[in-house]
Order: sequence, then structure tokens, then C-alpha cells
Amino acid sequence: EVQLLDSGGGLVQPGGSLRLSCAASGFTFNNYAMTWVRQAPGRGLEWVSTISASGLSTFYADSVKGRFTISRDNSKNTLYLQMNSLGAEDSALYFCAKSLEYQTVAGSFDSWGQGTLVTVSS
Amino acid sequence: EIVLTQSPATLSLSPGERATLSCRASQSVSSYLAWYQQKPGQAPRLLIYDASNRATGIPARFSGSGSGTDFTLTISSLEPEDFAVYYCQQRSIWPWTFGQGTKVEIK
Repeated sequence: EVQLLDSGGGLVQPGGSLRLSCAASGFTFNNYAMTWVRQAPGRGLEWVSTISASGLSTFYADSVKGRFTISRDNSKNTLYLQMNSLGAEDSALYFCAKSLEYQTVAGSFDSWGQGTLVTVSS
Repeated sequence: EIVLTQSPATLSLSPGERATLSCRASQSVSSYLAWYQQKPGQAPRLLIYDASNRATGIPARFSGSGSGTDFTLTISSLEPEDFAVYYCQQRSIWPWTFGQGTKVEIK
């Protein structure tokens, strides 16, 4: 059974940093692209960032480009999101998600973590 | 960026009724459109990918259709567990985008 366990969220002051993690199990992690999607309280879903299976290719939403860095450690089956220069607009529940497609950066997500909450406030 | 507009915002129906949800794209996304279901306090669940393919374990009462700019998710006969928010999402052009959601509520 595929499991994705998001962690690392919390309360951070504006301008601060946070690193999210997503521990994966139940599938061959290094065969699938991974993605972060966020959801502000009471709002819809927003794609944030994607990384290829190898980790060599990364993609970002304009709203986070230059501030967030996605990475993965295939030896630890873990996905990361380093978030810097955080603002109130980044407050959201952050989900990691697994690509449906094998070895392809393609954006249908067939498994999701439970989400980790990031709150940016002074 | 491609804007996905979902309609209606809210759909009030009774169990056993048919639900028809619409998603319109601001430009063609070919067939690269997915549908997700989200219940309160839960992560989204993939229902349909590439416009018309049911994801693993999704009941046959869920079906998707469309291509280009106009897409439809149909639930043939609503079960109590189907009352939720539904999102469409395109993966044709970066950045990938989601619609704003349609809430299917019990009438």
C-alpha cells in the first residue's frame, strides 16, 4: 500500500524558513515524479512544485519560484520542500503527491499525503 | 496560465440522482485533464485522469468526458459518500492548474 507521510509544518514568522518532508513507502520511490500541492484554509488547490523521478528536473509555480526549493533523497525515499522568505500568502496545508505515471513528469496524482499545515504569522 | 472554470459552484442533489459537473479551460488542454474528490479534513483522491480514464478502485458510477476546452464529470447515481468537493486539474501546460471546485451537497 502506498503511504506518504507529510511533516515539518508549523508556525513561522514572516520572512522565516521551513523545510517540509514527505516520507514515502509502498512503491519504488525513484521511479516516480513527486509534487507539492497546497491549500489555503477554506480555499482550493494550488500546484506548487514538481520534481522528476531522478531529481534532475524541477518545476515551480511563479508564486514560489526563487523562494522554494524541491528536492528528493531517493536513498531515503523522502521528498523535501525548502521554503524561504515566507509570507502570509504561503499559509496553507501542504500535500505531497505521487505521480500516476511511471518515470514521467506528468501531472495526475494518484496518492497524496495527509498534509502538513504551515502558518506564517507574527 | 490556463484558467479552469468549474460550474456550478454548488450542486444540491439527493442520493440516487445524477450529478453533472462542468470544467471549462481557457485554452485547449487536449485530454490532459483529471478530476479529484475531496472530503472535509481529507486529502484529494484521484477519480479520473486523461479526461475519461477511471483511476484504480474508482466505482463505475463515476465517468469523465470531453476534450479540448470542455469537460464533464458525471456521477450516475449519487451515493451518500459522494457528497464532497470536486476539482478538475490540467497537466497540459505549465503551470499545472486546478479549478476552483464544485461542491456537491445533499439537498
